[in-house]
Amino acid sequence: DTVLTQSPALAVSPGERVSISCRASEGVNSYMHWYQQKPGQQPKLLIYKASNLASGVPARFSGSGSGTDFTLTIDPVEADDTATYFCQQSWNDPWTFGGGTKLELK
Amino acid sequence: QVQLKESGPGLVQPSQTLSLTCTVSGLSLTSNSVSWIRQPPGKGLEWMGVIWSNGGTDYNSAIKSRLSISRDTSKSQVFLKMNSLQTEDTAMYFCARTAFDYFDYWGQGVMVTVSS
Repeated sequence: DTVLTQSPALAVSPGERVSISCRASEGVNSYMHWYQQKPGQQPKLLIYKASNLASGVPARFSGSGSGTDFTLTIDPVEADDTATYFCQQSWNDPWTFGGGTKLELK
Repeated sequence: QVQLKESGPGLVQPSQTLSLTCTVSGLSLTSNSVSWIRQPPGKGLEWMGVIWSNGGTDYNSAIKSRLSISRDTSKSQVFLKMNSLQTEDTAMYFCARTAFDYFDYWGQGVMVTVSS
């Protein structure tokens, strides 16, 4: 299976820019998607196919990358962005998720 | 608007079969695909399988032998059945609309605990 590796946690101050990384154990072309999950809630789609903003998602969120290295950027970070962020690949079977990056605000 | 809602028993005994239902509204199952995804407490997400708009299915190879996904289009419902449950199957189970290969609408999830 394709393993997606994410840093466990990040802490940033409101107004700053943060980049959340996701590294795949094998190439996934541009078939990488990003989700935000707040405690006690279902995940919410943010970015699909590496760089496409999902409907209703603020333009503060952006995605980049291809192959094995991908980045979700939030600029500027707001207090409401406190959440866990997951990447998901759909190029290789089975579809897999990263372990998640917990974003905390200072 | 698109909505998905999971339902099922909160507690299942080890070795028994889990049956869950995902009831959708605001979309037709004949033109939309639905996946099941689970999340053990405090852990990450695992894609379990998908039922495509044409009724075909694909499953995660890790659990394929235990899993079945089906649907009733007239009732706008998708079903999950998984047998031989063990404690490690304890998780929040989500259904989600599958837009080709990503998940753009999610249900709120149903917690399933496997315990005697």
